[in-house]
Amino acid sequence: DAGITQSPRHKVTETGTPVTLRCHQTENHRYMYWYRQDPGHGLRLIHYSYGVKDTDKGEVSDGYSVSRSKTEDFLLTLESATSSQTSVYFCAISGASGGYNEQFFGPGTRLTVL
Amino acid sequence: DQQVKQNSPSLSVQEGRISILNCDYTNSMFDYFLWYKKYPAEGPTFLISISSIKDKNEDGRFTVFLNKSAKHLSLHIVPSQPGDSAVYFCAAAQGGSEKLVFGKGTKLTVNP
Repeated sequence: DAGITQSPRHKVTETGTPVTLRCHQTENHRYMYWYRQDPGHGLRLIHYSYGVKDTDKGEVSDGYSVSRSKTEDFLLTLESATSSQTSVYFCAISGASGGYNEQFFGPGTRLTVL
Repeated sequence: DQQVKQNSPSLSVQEGRISILNCDYTNSMFDYFLWYKKYPAEGPTFLISISSIKDKNEDGRFTVFLNKSAKHLSLHIVPSQPGDSAVYFCAAAQGGSEKLVFGKGTKLTVNP
């Protein structure tokens, strides 16, 4: 299994509070991704990173920001959490450019915004 | 606009029989396709992939078929086992892109 950890694994927070989720990899992979999984929507890309300090938006990026100051860490921040951001969040990594490599997923973080 | 569609939210089969999961796509620029399996409370795991230069790829009990003219791919599991019960996601990539586009998933239940 690819060395990917996510923290926390579960979090309950209140509307309007900031939340940061962490993804840590030990594989030295270049690409890192944040997805959310919701019933009826499958997996949707929030943001991704193609290198240290290099990030780009995915299809559902509104309300989220990311940072990558080290190869191994990719942080997802909800500046002011809303109930619509209640979801399961997955981090993924992949190794090479060109898209011809599968992505490896972390175990997920279940976030509940009350 | 949904570029990758899995029109069957669920599928139920008997142990030992064939499971066929279907996926359709609309973007003709997609040239690499993947299937992921996901158990509850775990992250998705890569299962099998196929490049658009092929029409079939096989790995043990799992075979993926690609019909480019119909923009359709399918995952065959033979024989199905209870441990195959999971949600299966189809994903697609466009050459040169590091991003995957996922379908909504199909929940497979294999009954003993």
